Parts: sequence; C-alpha cells; structure tokens
Amino acid sequence: DSGVTQTPKHLITATGQRVTLRCSPRSGDLSVYWYQQSLDQGLQFLIQYYNGEERAKGNILERFSAQQFPDLHSELNLSSLELGDSALYFCASSPLTGLADTQYFGPGTRLTVL
Amino acid sequence: QQQVKQSPQSLIVQKGGISIINCAYENTAFDYFPWYQQFPGKGPALLIAIRPDVSEKKEGRFTISFNKSAKQFSLHIMDSQPGDSATYFCAARGGGGNKLTFGTGTQLKVEL
Repeated sequence: DSGVTQTPKHLITATGQRVTLRCSPRSGDLSVYWYQQSLDQGLQFLIQYYNGEERAKGNILERFSAQQFPDLHSELNLSSLELGDSALYFCASSPLTGLADTQYFGPGTRLTVL
Repeated sequence: QQQVKQSPQSLIVQKGGISIINCAYENTAFDYFPWYQQFPGKGPALLIAIRPDVSEKKEGRFTISFNKSAKQFSLHIMDSQPGDSATYFCAARGGGGNKLTFGTGTQLKVEL
C-alpha cells in the first residue's frame, strides 16, 4: 500500500458526461501528479500540482482540468467525455520537487465511457 | 526528445534465470531514472532508481545498469521468480516540473 488513495475505484459513464476523480496524497507529500494509462498510449503524464499551484503540464486535453486543495487532496475533472477517454487514471504523490523525489502511485480509477 | 523506448514488449524467463529489460532515451536533460513494477489491477510501484552519475545500482536481486554516453539503461532481475511476473516500466524524469516519461512497458512471465 503506497499511502495514496483514489476514489472511486471504478466509474462507468456515458459520452458527453462529466466526472470527477479524487486523490488523497501520502501524509506530508506536497506534490500530486495525474497520469493516464491506456492500451494505445501507455502511461502518460497529465499534470502536476505542488502545494496548491500548478507546476507542470503534459498531454492534458482542454476538456480535462485539475486542482489541488488547501488540504492537499486533488481532483481531476473530465468533461465532454469521449469513448477514447476510457482508461486508468493514476494519481501519484511525492514529498517535494527535489532531486531524488520518488513518486508513489495510487491504485487508480478505471474510467469506462460507453 | 521526450520519448523513452523500452524493449522487449514481452519476456518469458525460466525460474532462476536472468530477466533483462532495456530502455533508451534521447533527452539529455533527464536526471533520474526509476523502474516501476505493476501487477494487474494495481498502480505502479517503485522498484529501483538510478541517477546518471552512477553506472550501476543493485538492490537485492534487482540491478540497474546505466550507460550515459549511449543514453541507455537496463534492469536485470537475477534468480527470477514466478512472483516477479508483472509489467515493468522504465521511466525518466525531466523536461519540466518533476514529471516522469514512461517507456511502453515489458510484460514479464517467469515460468516454473
């Protein structure tokens, strides 16, 4: 158990809908990262927050947004969902943006868009 | 520039054998190279990591070999066990923030 929690574990929704994925980082970790894992794209970095501020952005679609709250939990919002958004979404956390900064991954949320 | 290439895609090894997975990168700004292990239905878990100023790092049965001039690194699993059967991802950190760029993964099966 990495100490990173994600809810829900599974999510089934329809095209055009909007969903929110939630992540609680390990105690004391200030950085939160979101990754998408799909069969055709592999593990792709989406976005990073550090202590409430956006730190880095990857291949995140404009339909997707995220935020990190004062208690350091993070939410990833996916809107106008398409079939191709079906994937595993992982949250990871790390203590800070340092040199030997291990990212610990949560168990993921499996999103299915029908 | 941001890509990390990983091979092989799948690997079958006999129990007690050596599993070798290779990765190559282009971006010389990468400064940290972790390997993650993922079991079905679970998130990736850090296995071992190396920095580019070190040529080899060993932790138990797992060894990373790093060749900075060739921009290649590899994972060796000695005395492979059936419990090692999982998907292995190499990764590289850099290119803005602390993000990881992952290889495409290697599905390892260790047979009895």
